[in-house]
Amino acid sequence: DIVMTQSPDSLAVSLGERATINCKSSQSVLHSSNNKNYLAWYQQKPGQPPKLLIHWASTRESGVPDRFSGSGSGTDFNLIISSLQAEDVAVYYCHQYYSPPHSFGQGTKLEIK
Amino acid sequence: EVQLLDSGGGLVQPGGSLRLSCGASGFTFSSYDMSWLRQPPGKGLEWVSTISSGGIYTNYADSVKGRFTVSRDNSKNTVYLQMNSLRAEDTAVYYCAKRYCSGGTCFHFENWGQGTLVTVSS
Repeated sequence: DIVMTQSPDSLAVSLGERATINCKSSQSVLHSSNNKNYLAWYQQKPGQPPKLLIHWASTRESGVPDRFSGSGSGTDFNLIISSLQAEDVAVYYCHQYYSPPHSFGQGTKLEIK
Repeated sequence: EVQLLDSGGGLVQPGGSLRLSCGASGFTFSSYDMSWLRQPPGKGLEWVSTISSGGIYTNYADSVKGRFTVSRDNSKNTVYLQMNSLRAEDTAVYYCAKRYCSGGTCFHFENWGQGTLVTVSS
């Protein structure tokens, strides 16, 4: 099974500043047949279900603000929020869908400093 | 607009059973794999089960295999999760989710229900 590890567990960033969350997989999630990374990022606000932000490691979902971006390949990925807004306070999860069973990182709690 | 409405959660004693339902609308339900995931209170996300679009193929997390059964009724646009032999560690919010599918293969979870809380306690 693929183990997903996020860092840090929690992060406090000032409004307008950049936030970076890292996700590492225990094995590569890059599929050789299509050169796509099978990696997604979700945002979960209190009392709400997770919301898909990014898939294929760097493709932003429709309607997601462009301050959110994803990068990385293979086993090492980042979610970057370029200019933190108050509404971005949430827990963020990475998810690999390369091979079953699907697995998630433990989550990163993002707060305002 | 895609909508997923989870229901059926509640309080159940250890060893008991519960059936969750997820009603779907806003998309061609019979064309998509559907999944169940869960989140224990204050903890992270865990995939539980997936059923293929036609209901032929199912798979389960090791933690629920042999106790939980996923099924679907495409005529009712509904997916179910039958949970038997429930344990305290099954306590969680359960979400149904629609997977993104293309070319006959399904990938990430693009839409989620609002969740239904299952509490296993005596």
